[in-house]
Amino acid sequence: AQSVSQHNHHVILSEAASLELGCNYSYGGTVNLFWYVQYPGQHLQLLLKYFSGDPLVKGIKGFEAEFIKSKFSFNLRKPSVQWSDTAEYFCAVNPRGGAGSYQLTFGKGTKLSVIP
Amino acid sequence: DTGVSQDPRHKITKRGQNVTFRCDPISEHNRLYWYRQTLGQGPEFLTYFQNEAQLEKSRLLSDRFSAERPKGSFSTLEIQRTEQGDSAMYLCASSPGTQYQETQYFGPGTRLLVL
Repeated sequence: AQSVSQHNHHVILSEAASLELGCNYSYGGTVNLFWYVQYPGQHLQLLLKYFSGDPLVKGIKGFEAEFIKSKFSFNLRKPSVQWSDTAEYFCAVNPRGGAGSYQLTFGKGTKLSVIP
Repeated sequence: DTGVSQDPRHKITKRGQNVTFRCDPISEHNRLYWYRQTLGQGPEFLTYFQNEAQLEKSRLLSDRFSAERPKGSFSTLEIQRTEQGDSAMYLCASSPGTQYQETQYFGPGTRLLVL
């Protein structure tokens, strides 16, 4: 079974600081990768996804993530955060094909607090 | 708004009571998923439907949990004889069901508190 690790439980940054949130997964086969965001009081929303192709993917609101297959990683980055980025960020993975391909496995999430 | 909707948004019940939650997926989405999220954790997969067929239910937490999607549209998740450990956020998601690789779109969730 696959698992996802998010290394930071809570990150506090000042506005304009750069952000990198770590995500590593454990699975022997090919995977699809996602970052979801949950703003305060709102539901989970897709930030970006990787299915195949260019390992550097761009999402909404200036976020990007890089898939490094050799490191089983899919880290999320943003060069300059804003107060409105305050939210909880979840990394998720599902196998591409086979048993469990419909099932997303999530990390525990990283809470980001941006100080104005 | 044509996103995934869930009802109720909040439910408080006493231990031992039965509860039922409803999920309406995005229109024409064939796949529907249920997840549970407890405090400090990411969502945990429970079950999955392709149209009206429940294709995976082994991850339901116990035989007190059951889900249906009788006409391939909305779905219900029932918990019988609730326990305090069932207190959690129950999330529903849907996806088109036409692609091999798809994005799941989540609803706002139903927050359950068992007293």
